[in-house]
Amino acid sequence: DTGVSQDPRHKITKRGQNVTFRCDPISEHNRLYWYRQTLGQGPEFLTYFQNEAQLEKSRLLSDRFSAERPKGSFSTLEIQRTEQGDSAMYLCASSLASGSARGYTFGSGTRLTVV
Amino acid sequence: AQTVTQSQPEMSVQEAETVTLSCTYDTSESDYYLFWYKQPPSRQMILVIRQEAYKQQNATENRFSVNFQKAAKSFSLKISDSQLGDAAMYFCAYIPVQGAQKLVFGQGTRLTINP
Repeated sequence: DTGVSQDPRHKITKRGQNVTFRCDPISEHNRLYWYRQTLGQGPEFLTYFQNEAQLEKSRLLSDRFSAERPKGSFSTLEIQRTEQGDSAMYLCASSLASGSARGYTFGSGTRLTVV
Repeated sequence: AQTVTQSQPEMSVQEAETVTLSCTYDTSESDYYLFWYKQPPSRQMILVIRQEAYKQQNATENRFSVNFQKAAKSFSLKISDSQLGDAAMYFCAYIPVQGAQKLVFGQGTRLTINP
């Protein structure tokens, strides 16, 4: 297993454009999480899935953000009409449903820059 | 709401010396897990050490150990014999055993190792 993969690693987009990020979790992990991390800060929770069900969304996840996890495998995070304030590192992590004791396995993140 | 606070934005230590990073947290839960994660520059977040709240014994992993004070809600990380490869952002994180299954992170401490 190669761990949690995120694509792309970097994305530069113009304000107002839509972007989509992909996350491939560890195959046997049924939980998948999205976090946002701004420079010099800790990761902030956005949303998580158990299998294909989206179980919780943060108030940080405005209507411009949508996440999916079809078939309970990979996940996508889409940001519509990007704003400069969306510039951040977007982290994906996965775990087993009983994984609170072990923490999460994180991907390397997608760094978004909105110009 | 559960919160995690790291009051040291930056720390530095001489190579081979010992350094302690501080973390406090706030929760009304009695059963939870605490973690320290390491995030090297432009690299993924890696689990360093974890502590189960119901265990009084402090966790250790090679050169890394914690001082867990449950009553004080304090969870510090001690790095012994610091090495250049220890330079990174360090994040303290919390997750309850029951209820909201998401890691809550502190703001991070940037650790610099001086050769």
